Amino acid sequence: GENVEQHPSTLSVQEGDSAVIKCTYSDSASNYFPWYKQELGKGPQLIIDIRSNVGEKKDQRIAVTLNKTAKHFSLHITETQPEDSAVYFCAASLYGFQKLVFGTGTRLLVSP
Amino acid sequence: ETGVTQSPTHLIKTRGQQVTLRCSSQSGHNTVSWYQQALGQGPQFIFQYYREEENGRGNFPPRFSGLQFPNYSSELNVNALELDDSALYLCASSSDSNTEAFFGQGTRLTVV
Repeated sequence: GENVEQHPSTLSVQEGDSAVIKCTYSDSASNYFPWYKQELGKGPQLIIDIRSNVGEKKDQRIAVTLNKTAKHFSLHITETQPEDSAVYFCAASLYGFQKLVFGTGTRLLVSP
Repeated sequence: ETGVTQSPTHLIKTRGQQVTLRCSSQSGHNTVSWYQQALGQGPQFIFQYYREEENGRGNFPPRFSGLQFPNYSSELNVNALELDDSALYLCASSSDSNTEAFFGQGTRLTVV
């Protein structure tokens, strides 16, 4: 089945810097790649997603890129703010929005 | 707030006991998925229910079972609890397979 690896496990940046989190997946048939933000005591919240027929997607300070050939995708956060501090998870799915396979998470700490 | 509510929020059980966790899906959503999130890990797919029928299952033993009711709320039942079942259990609801899955805040289960 699908396997998703995520790096780094922790990432510390200064406010205003950029942050990049990378994921690789194993099943070339996967067609949906969401990114979730999980704050302490809360469930994961979708922040951006991309489908396999698109190479890049942007939403204000957040962007996701997908390289289907290399089977990896990345989350880019620009102009980071302290409220961006959280655990971020990438995921992949062969079934659209359903039956997600998650990475192990990246703890992002943005220092003022 | 996602509109997905889970109960209880915290639960302590003894090894060998049985537990039932509940999920009320967002209005209009007919698909519910359950995930197990061990400490420091990403969520792992347990199973999904679509219009009261199981629609896919992850790599979990049969002692993990579920139900979906006509109002699309759902239960996760775990029999013969083991210490390794201690985790955050997340419920996610969506409308058919074509909309984002919204997660609840989860139920923290501790098995002692």
